[in-house]
Amino acid sequence: GENVEQHPSTLSVQEGDSAVIKCTYSDSASNYFPWYKQELGKRPQLIIDIRSNVGEKKDQRIAVTLNKTAKHFSLHITETQPEDSAVYFCAATPHGSSNTGKLIFGQGTTLQVKP
Amino acid sequence: NAGVTQTPKFQVLKTGQSMTLQCAQDMNHNSMYWYRQDPGMGLRLIYYSASEGTTDKGEVPNGYNVSRLNKREFSLRLESAAPSQTSVYFCASSDGTSGRFDTQYFGPGTRLTVL
Repeated sequence: GENVEQHPSTLSVQEGDSAVIKCTYSDSASNYFPWYKQELGKRPQLIIDIRSNVGEKKDQRIAVTLNKTAKHFSLHITETQPEDSAVYFCAATPHGSSNTGKLIFGQGTTLQVKP
Repeated sequence: NAGVTQTPKFQVLKTGQSMTLQCAQDMNHNSMYWYRQDPGMGLRLIYYSASEGTTDKGEVPNGYNVSRLNKREFSLRLESAAPSQTSVYFCASSDGTSGRFDTQYFGPGTRLTVL
């Protein structure tokens, strides 16, 4: 089945710097890759997603890139702010999930932005 | 709209006890999911229901059962709780009409401790 690996597990940056989180997936049939943000003690919430027919997508300070050949995708956060501190999860659609919305999540990255 | 709600927020059980975690959504979503979140392991899918009247196993279904009571409600039952089931449980729902491209909306979570 689908396997999603996420790196690094923790990331500490200075405010204003950029942060990059990378994920690899195993199922070449996967075609949807969302990113969720979970603040401490809160529920995960979608922040950005990308479909396999697109190589890059941006939304203000966040962007996601996808390399289908290498089967990896990355989250880029520019000009980081303390409120970006959270756990970030990548996810991918497993084989056979065409009508279910089922996702396989990565292990999560704890991002700390130091003021 | 309340979105996705879960009860209870916290629960402590003794080994061998049973309990049911309740989840409800008021967004008229077709698909619902149960995840568990453990440190360093991300969100792992326990069971999901692609539509009312159907349920399927996810990555870690052993020790759990589910019931899709109606379109709004999806419950998770632990028949004989074990310490390995100590975790934070999240329920989620998605529209289900966009197939694998749906956004999942999460509930606030239930923190379960099994002694």
